[in-house]
Amino acid sequence: AQSVTQLDSQVPVFEEAPVELRCNYSSSVSVYLFWYVQYPNQGLQLLLKYLSGSTLVKGINGFEAEFNKSQTSFHLRKPSVHISDTAEYFCAVIISTGANNLFFGTGTRLTVIP
Amino acid sequence: SAVISQKPSRDICQRGTSLTIQCQVDSQVTMMFWYRQQPGQSLTLIATANQGSEATYESGFVIDKFPISRPNLTFSTLTVSNMSPEDSSIYLCSVVTSGGPTDTQYFGPGTRLTVL
Repeated sequence: AQSVTQLDSQVPVFEEAPVELRCNYSSSVSVYLFWYVQYPNQGLQLLLKYLSGSTLVKGINGFEAEFNKSQTSFHLRKPSVHISDTAEYFCAVIISTGANNLFFGTGTRLTVIP
Repeated sequence: SAVISQKPSRDICQRGTSLTIQCQVDSQVTMMFWYRQQPGQSLTLIATANQGSEATYESGFVIDKFPISRPNLTFSTLTVSNMSPEDSSIYLCSVVTSGGPTDTQYFGPGTRLTVL
């Protein structure tokens, strides 16, 4: 079975500070990895995804994530956050050999403090 | 890209009643999905809605409780039947515009359902 774990349910960080949101997955087969963001009262929006190739993936709004196969992780990072980054962030996977649906983590609420 | 609208945006319903949620996309799409996001929890896939065929339901979800229609490539409905307070959730529609599921999934704004 596959699962996605986001260890931090809430992450407060001061404006212009760096942030890392952690994501670990478990799967016996290859996966595709995604990060989505949900701003208040809005739908989910894709930040970035890893399908293959370079393990460092750059997304929108200055975010990036690194796929680490040995640690089964896909942590999201940003070197300097803005107030507008306050949102809920979801890590998700698609199993490469199975059904074509996203499995989501429980989400991390990032709060940027002025 | 795809722009998705959902109706209603929110509703408060009495137990035992049913609510139909509509999902409209501004372009033809191959795959449509319905998710549930219960309070404080992550998104869980309910079913994949295929045009011209029966929806494919995930474990724990059945057609009698969550009937789905997909009459064309731009529209789908999800009905939450015989509601109970446990059905209080945000229901989201999502689509993949082309290719396979690793293509970007676009999500609607969601329908916030409260069952009393």
